[in-house]
Amino acid sequence: NAGVMQNPRHLVRRRGQEARLRCSPMKGHSHVYWYRQLPEEGLKFMVYLQKENIIDESGMPKERFSAEFPKEGPSILRIQQVVRGDSAAYFCASSKTTEAYEQYFGPGTRLTVT
Amino acid sequence: QKEVEQNSGPLSVPEGAIASLNCTYSDRVSQSFFWYRQYSGKSPELIMSIYSNGDKEDGRFTAQLNKASQYVSLLIRDSQPSDSATYLCAVNVPSSNTGKLIFGQGTTLQVKP
Repeated sequence: NAGVMQNPRHLVRRRGQEARLRCSPMKGHSHVYWYRQLPEEGLKFMVYLQKENIIDESGMPKERFSAEFPKEGPSILRIQQVVRGDSAAYFCASSKTTEAYEQYFGPGTRLTVT
Repeated sequence: QKEVEQNSGPLSVPEGAIASLNCTYSDRVSQSFFWYRQYSGKSPELIMSIYSNGDKEDGRFTAQLNKASQYVSLLIRDSQPSDSATYLCAVNVPSSNTGKLIFGQGTTLQVKP
């Protein structure tokens, strides 16, 4: 399966713990986007990365959230000191280029903060 | 004004009918428009993209774009119960130059057998 892969699919963390979400883009895709979907809300852009570069992080909360896409390995979205309001579905999408902007989504990680 | 607006629905149509989903956007210079389908508890699935004014057909789906009116729509012909889902309209943000998409809240479609 050459689709976008995300893991874990479900993640439960207690308040104050760290959450690490991983994303491997589709084969041949070098552009990665992270989106968050809060319960009963729409999808919101968080960050756009290429290998070793954060291109646009305008949707990232200013504190506790960070993202990376290293030269080797998956993209990581890291949430430090999680709070209940971080409970959401986090989706990763990838695209081949930015010209057509067609983005394909992974299955998502459902984060629950208890 | 929201950047991308959709009627949340639910839109209910009988099986075999045409479902018409609508979306308006506020940024006049937007160039790329997408429709995603999202089943409950699942991830968004890209079903149509459209970049030029007019119609684009793919199987039972037709996307329509009118940039002058800042309006994009999705028609689903011969609707099936399996089409019951939330349909998300997405628009790129040209000013960002990064492919960032802005999504509408989605329209829930119910196709009744």
